Amino acid sequence: AQKITQTQPGMFVQEKEAVTLDCTYDTSDQSYGLFWYKQPSSGEMIFLIYQGSYDEQNATEGRYSLNFQKARKSANLVISASQLGDSAMYFCAMMGDTGRRALTFGSGTRLQVQP
Amino acid sequence: NAGVMQNPRHLVRRRGQEARLRCSPMKGHSHVYWYRQLPEEGLKFMVYLQKENIIDESGMPKERFSAEFPKEGPSILRIQQVVRGDSAAYFCASSPGQGYYNEQFFGPGTRLTVL
Repeated sequence: AQKITQTQPGMFVQEKEAVTLDCTYDTSDQSYGLFWYKQPSSGEMIFLIYQGSYDEQNATEGRYSLNFQKARKSANLVISASQLGDSAMYFCAMMGDTGRRALTFGSGTRLQVQP
Repeated sequence: NAGVMQNPRHLVRRRGQEARLRCSPMKGHSHVYWYRQLPEEGLKFMVYLQKENIIDESGMPKERFSAEFPKEGPSILRIQQVVRGDSAAYFCASSPGQGYYNEQFFGPGTRLTVL
């Protein structure tokens, strides 16, 4: 079974600053994928970034990067140069190579970007 | 290339009525997942289907809930005799394969309100 823990219910960041959203995971699978999704107030789920367990490099997608520390089982999302449009809920999720073939989500972090 | 489509976007039902939620996956995707999101919570897996087969329904309540993905047409999530606790956002996602490295593309969700 997989478990995702997001310990920050809410975060504030000033516009143009960087922010790190924490995510720790637990799994007995050797191979797995880690995902981050953004959910704005309009409600849709927007894929941001993916990290495979065997990827040696940290994933990056534009202003998003994933700080992957396998030994610590953490997969923190870093957003650089925050923008007002980044205000949203952010969910960390994972899927392993055994057992349930579906994403397990954390409880989310609500990010508010202040001007 | 159209994304995952869900309809209706909003559905209001009275207690005891039936709710039918539809999901058309992305073109070329044969793997469909249904998730439920209660207010202020993360998404929870309900059921995973491939064409004409239910692969994993371990997250779906045993009573009143059913899902199908016929050979032709959209996937349907059916909730019989709805209760107030069924009020939630129901998301459908599709992927081209079942591996953990496959991104799941989400639809916009159906917001079900039970009066």
